[in-house]
Amino acid sequence: GIQVEQSPPDLILQEGANSTLRCNFSDSVNNLQWFHQNPWGQLINLFYIPSGTKQNGRLSATTVATERYSLLYISSSQTTDSGVYFCAVKDANAGKSTFGDGTTLTVKP
Amino acid sequence: KAGVTQTPRYLIKTRGQQVTLSCSPISGHRSVSWYQQTPGQGLQFLFEYFSETQRNKGNFPGRFSGRQFSNSRSEMNVSTLELGDSALYLCASEITPSTDTQYFGPGTRLTVL
Repeated sequence: GIQVEQSPPDLILQEGANSTLRCNFSDSVNNLQWFHQNPWGQLINLFYIPSGTKQNGRLSATTVATERYSLLYISSSQTTDSGVYFCAVKDANAGKSTFGDGTTLTVKP
Repeated sequence: KAGVTQTPRYLIKTRGQQVTLSCSPISGHRSVSWYQQTPGQGLQFLFEYFSETQRNKGNFPGRFSGRQFSNSRSEMNVSTLELGDSALYLCASEITPSTDTQYFGPGTRLTVL
Protein backbone atom coordinates (compact mmCIF):
# COMPACT_ATOMS: atom_id res chain seq x y z
CA GLY A 1 0.00 0.00 0.00
CA ILE A 2 0.86 3.66 -0.11
CA GLN A 3 3.46 4.91 2.36
CA VAL A 4 3.10 8.40 3.80
CA GLU A 5 5.95 10.20 5.54
CA GLN A 6 5.57 13.49 7.34
CA SER A 7 8.36 15.77 8.46
CA PRO A 8 9.43 17.07 10.80
CA PRO A 9 7.89 14.89 13.51
CA ASP A 10 8.05 17.72 16.03
CA LEU A 11 8.26 21.46 15.59
CA ILE A 12 8.52 24.15 18.27
CA LEU A 13 8.01 27.77 17.29
CA GLN A 14 7.65 31.15 18.88
CA GLU A 15 4.38 32.93 18.26
CA GLY A 16 4.55 34.89 15.02
CA ALA A 17 6.99 32.56 13.28
CA ASN A 18 6.31 30.80 9.99
CA SER A 19 6.57 27.05 9.37
CA THR A 20 6.46 24.49 6.60
CA LEU A 21 5.25 20.93 7.11
CA ARG A 22 5.97 18.29 4.50
CA CYS A 23 4.15 15.15 3.39
CA ASN A 24 5.77 12.65 1.02
CA PHE A 25 3.82 9.77 -0.47
CA SER A 26 5.02 6.72 -2.31
CA ASP A 27 2.49 6.33 -5.12
CA SER A 28 -0.04 8.18 -7.22
CA VAL A 29 -3.00 9.49 -5.28
CA ASN A 30 -6.33 10.96 -6.25
CA ASN A 31 -7.12 12.43 -2.86
CA LEU A 32 -4.96 14.26 -0.34
CA GLN A 33 -6.14 16.07 2.75
CA TRP A 34 -4.47 17.98 5.56
CA PHE A 35 -6.00 17.83 9.03
CA HIS A 36 -5.37 19.47 12.38
CA GLN A 37 -6.17 17.32 15.39
CA ASN A 38 -7.39 19.37 18.30
CA PRO A 39 -6.62 18.51 21.95
CA TRP A 40 -9.93 16.61 22.23
CA GLY A 41 -9.02 14.35 19.35
CA GLN A 42 -11.21 15.67 16.57
CA LEU A 43 -9.67 15.92 13.11
CA ILE A 44 -10.41 19.29 11.61
CA ASN A 45 -10.26 19.62 7.82
CA LEU A 46 -7.73 22.13 6.62
CA PHE A 47 -7.41 21.40 2.91
CA TYR A 48 -8.55 18.94 0.29
CA ILE A 49 -5.69 19.30 -2.17
CA PRO A 50 -4.85 16.40 -4.51
CA SER A 51 -2.93 18.89 -6.66
CA GLY A 52 -2.24 22.59 -6.95
CA THR A 53 -2.21 25.34 -4.35
CA LYS A 54 -4.86 26.61 -1.96
CA GLN A 55 -4.91 29.30 0.69
CA ASN A 56 -7.13 29.86 3.68
CA GLY A 57 -6.14 32.81 5.82
CA ARG A 58 -2.75 32.20 7.39
CA LEU A 59 -2.63 28.66 6.05
CA SER A 60 -1.79 27.53 2.58
CA ALA A 61 -0.99 24.21 0.97
CA THR A 62 0.66 23.01 -2.19
CA THR A 63 0.63 19.52 -3.67
CA VAL A 64 2.96 18.51 -6.48
CA ALA A 65 1.36 15.24 -7.46
CA THR A 66 3.97 14.36 -10.10
CA GLU A 67 6.72 14.57 -7.48
CA ARG A 68 4.58 12.97 -4.76
CA TYR A 69 4.73 15.56 -2.04
CA SER A 70 2.58 18.17 -0.36
CA LEU A 71 3.49 21.14 1.80
CA LEU A 72 1.47 22.93 4.44
CA TYR A 73 2.51 26.48 5.26
CA ILE A 74 1.54 28.22 8.45
CA SER A 75 2.35 31.91 8.64
CA SER A 76 2.36 34.17 11.70
CA SER A 77 1.72 31.19 13.95
CA GLN A 78 -0.49 31.53 17.01
CA THR A 79 -0.67 29.42 20.17
CA THR A 80 -4.00 28.06 18.96
CA ASP A 81 -2.18 26.50 15.99
CA SER A 82 -0.59 24.00 18.38
CA GLY A 83 -1.55 20.40 17.89
CA VAL A 84 -0.90 17.54 15.53
CA TYR A 85 -1.10 18.01 11.78
CA PHE A 86 -1.85 14.99 9.64
CA CYS A 87 -1.61 14.37 5.95
CA ALA A 88 -3.88 11.65 4.55
CA VAL A 89 -3.92 10.22 1.05
CA LYS A 90 -6.11 7.87 -0.93
CA ASP A 91 -5.48 6.04 -4.15
CA ALA A 92 -8.27 5.15 -6.51
CA ASN A 93 -7.87 1.42 -5.96
CA ALA A 94 -7.70 1.17 -2.18
CA GLY A 95 -10.39 3.64 -1.27
CA LYS A 96 -9.09 3.93 2.28
CA SER A 97 -7.15 6.88 3.65
CA THR A 98 -3.58 6.28 4.69
CA PHE A 99 -2.33 8.73 7.28
CA GLY A 100 1.15 9.88 8.02
CA ASP A 101 2.44 9.83 11.58
CA GLY A 102 1.78 13.53 11.94
CA THR A 103 3.77 16.62 12.85
CA THR A 104 3.34 17.84 16.42
CA LEU A 105 3.46 21.62 16.41
CA THR A 106 3.99 23.60 19.61
CA VAL A 107 3.67 27.37 19.41
CA LYS A 108 5.02 29.18 22.44
CA PRO A 109 3.78 32.63 23.46
CA LYS B 1 -25.68 21.07 8.17
CA ALA B 2 -24.93 19.06 11.27
CA GLY B 3 -21.53 17.44 11.32
CA VAL B 4 -20.63 13.82 11.84
CA THR B 5 -21.87 12.56 15.18
CA GLN B 6 -20.52 9.64 17.15
CA THR B 7 -21.96 7.97 20.21
CA PRO B 8 -21.02 7.35 22.86
CA ARG B 9 -18.15 9.80 23.28
CA TYR B 10 -16.50 7.86 26.09
CA LEU B 11 -16.74 4.24 27.07
CA ILE B 12 -15.11 2.05 29.69
CA LYS B 13 -15.30 -1.72 29.30
CA THR B 14 -13.53 -4.72 30.75
CA ARG B 15 -11.64 -7.40 28.91
CA GLY B 16 -13.85 -9.98 27.27
CA GLN B 17 -16.85 -7.69 26.88
CA GLN B 18 -18.15 -6.45 23.55
CA VAL B 19 -18.91 -2.91 22.47
CA THR B 20 -20.94 -1.20 19.75
CA LEU B 21 -20.08 2.27 18.50
CA SER B 22 -22.36 4.39 16.35
CA CYS B 23 -21.70 6.97 13.67
CA SER B 24 -24.19 9.24 11.92
CA PRO B 25 -22.74 10.85 8.78
CA ILE B 26 -23.46 14.30 7.43
CA SER B 27 -26.85 14.44 5.74
CA GLY B 28 -26.48 13.39 2.11
CA HIS B 29 -23.20 11.56 2.67
CA ARG B 30 -23.39 7.89 1.77
CA SER B 31 -19.85 6.77 2.53
CA VAL B 32 -18.66 6.05 6.07
CA SER B 33 -15.18 4.97 7.14
CA TRP B 34 -13.85 3.97 10.54
CA TYR B 35 -10.34 4.47 11.92
CA GLN B 36 -8.57 3.46 15.09
CA GLN B 37 -6.04 5.82 16.65
CA THR B 38 -3.55 4.63 19.26
CA PRO B 39 -0.31 6.25 20.44
CA GLY B 40 1.75 3.35 19.17
CA GLN B 41 0.11 2.63 15.81
CA GLY B 42 -1.20 6.02 14.79
CA LEU B 43 -4.33 6.27 12.66
CA GLN B 44 -5.26 2.96 11.08
CA PHE B 45 -8.09 2.20 8.68
CA LEU B 46 -10.74 -0.25 9.88
CA PHE B 47 -13.58 -0.33 7.30
CA GLU B 48 -15.29 1.63 4.58
CA TYR B 49 -18.99 1.37 3.79
CA PHE B 50 -20.92 2.78 0.87
CA SER B 51 -24.58 2.16 0.21
CA GLU B 52 -24.74 -0.51 2.93
CA THR B 53 -21.85 -2.48 1.40
CA GLN B 54 -18.41 -2.90 2.86
CA ARG B 55 -15.99 -1.76 0.18
CA ASN B 56 -12.72 -2.06 2.03
CA LYS B 57 -11.45 -3.59 5.23
CA GLY B 58 -8.23 -2.89 7.06
CA ASN B 59 -5.88 -5.37 8.63
CA PHE B 60 -7.77 -6.04 11.85
CA PRO B 61 -8.91 -9.35 13.38
CA GLY B 62 -12.39 -10.69 12.87
CA ARG B 63 -13.40 -9.39 16.32
CA PHE B 64 -13.86 -6.05 14.59
CA SER B 65 -16.98 -5.84 12.47
CA GLY B 66 -19.27 -3.20 11.13
CA ARG B 67 -22.34 -2.45 9.14
CA GLN B 68 -24.16 0.38 7.46
CA PHE B 69 -27.88 0.98 7.46
CA SER B 70 -30.14 2.27 4.70
CA ASN B 71 -30.03 5.78 6.21
CA SER B 72 -26.19 5.67 5.95
CA ARG B 73 -25.69 5.47 9.70
CA SER B 74 -23.00 3.00 10.62
CA GLU B 75 -22.09 0.88 13.60
CA MET B 76 -18.93 -0.94 14.46
CA ASN B 77 -18.69 -3.77 16.93
CA VAL B 78 -15.71 -5.14 18.78
CA SER B 79 -16.20 -8.49 20.48
CA THR B 80 -14.06 -10.10 23.18
CA LEU B 81 -12.32 -6.85 24.03
CA GLU B 82 -8.59 -6.84 24.72
CA LEU B 83 -6.52 -4.24 26.54
CA GLY B 84 -4.95 -3.30 23.22
CA ASP B 85 -8.32 -2.23 21.85
CA SER B 86 -8.18 0.88 24.02
CA ALA B 87 -8.11 3.68 21.49
CA LEU B 88 -9.86 6.63 19.95
CA TYR B 89 -12.25 5.37 17.27
CA LEU B 90 -12.94 7.92 14.56
CA CYS B 91 -15.66 7.88 11.98
CA ALA B 92 -15.49 9.83 8.73
CA SER B 93 -18.16 10.57 6.17
CA GLU B 94 -18.02 11.69 2.57
CA ILE B 95 -20.50 12.02 -0.25
CA THR B 96 -19.02 9.15 -2.24
CA PRO B 97 -15.85 7.15 -1.71
CA SER B 98 -12.34 7.97 -2.81
CA THR B 99 -12.57 11.35 -4.48
CA ASP B 100 -14.24 13.58 -1.94
CA THR B 101 -13.38 15.44 1.22
CA GLN B 102 -13.66 13.31 4.35
CA TYR B 103 -15.23 14.88 7.42
CA PHE B 104 -14.47 13.34 10.79
CA GLY B 105 -16.60 13.02 13.87
CA PRO B 106 -15.37 13.81 17.40
CA GLY B 107 -14.54 10.17 18.07
CA THR B 108 -15.34 7.61 20.73
CA ARG B 109 -12.65 7.09 23.33
CA LEU B 110 -12.72 3.45 24.43
CA THR B 111 -10.87 2.30 27.51
CA VAL B 112 -10.57 -1.42 28.18
CA LEU B 113 -9.68 -2.39 31.74
